[in-house]
Amino acid sequence: DAGITQSPRYKITETGRQVTLMCHQTWSHSYMFWYRQDLGHGLRLIYYSAAADITDKGEVPDGYVVSRSKTENFPLTLESATRSQTSVYFCASSESGLVNPSYEQYFGPGTRLTVT
Amino acid sequence: SQQGEEDPQALSIQEGENATMNCSYKTSINNLQWYRQNSGRGLVHLILIRSNEREKHSGRLRVTLDTSKKSSSLLITASRAADTASYFCAPMDSNYQLIWGAGTKLIIKP
Repeated sequence: DAGITQSPRYKITETGRQVTLMCHQTWSHSYMFWYRQDLGHGLRLIYYSAAADITDKGEVPDGYVVSRSKTENFPLTLESATRSQTSVYFCASSESGLVNPSYEQYFGPGTRLTVT
Repeated sequence: SQQGEEDPQALSIQEGENATMNCSYKTSINNLQWYRQNSGRGLVHLILIRSNEREKHSGRLRVTLDTSKKSSSLLITASRAADTASYFCAPMDSNYQLIWGAGTKLIIKP
């Protein structure tokens, strides 16, 4: 299916466990992003990637790890989950080329993560 | 934090009326984007206005931008029940990062 997908859609895990959230996009967009959204708040950027093997920290990177070995995949790992990481996680992609940048971001459906 | 701020936080209007949402930000921007989020869903891009533009239209949407006041507004005309959603403005700063506020929750009453 074309677009951007996230898995799982819902996840319950225990404090201290490692959790990986998956993100896959079929557009070959160069940029990918991970955000978290907490109730009543806007999005906060966790990590982003400008291309395969290039990642950079966002506003709230602590406790998270990302990798991007392939352009289409951008997994987010919580190394040792904490209750404060209970949130809805959104992956997004955009094509911000030098010639005719688009800038708009395309979002996945989100993963609702609960840490008990 | 360099968050954008939307105003009001919540807005409830009758179907058919116009809805206006405002956004303020603090930094210089490359462009400003508006997104919609239906309950429990991902965000959807609505419209982008560049820093050298003052007004832009797309269907029933009208966006204005005043860079001197660091503010923007989104007008939805002839609202429909399907417009019920949260709306976020997202200024793009000079590092090409989007700055997100808490959004405006719009409810359209039938």
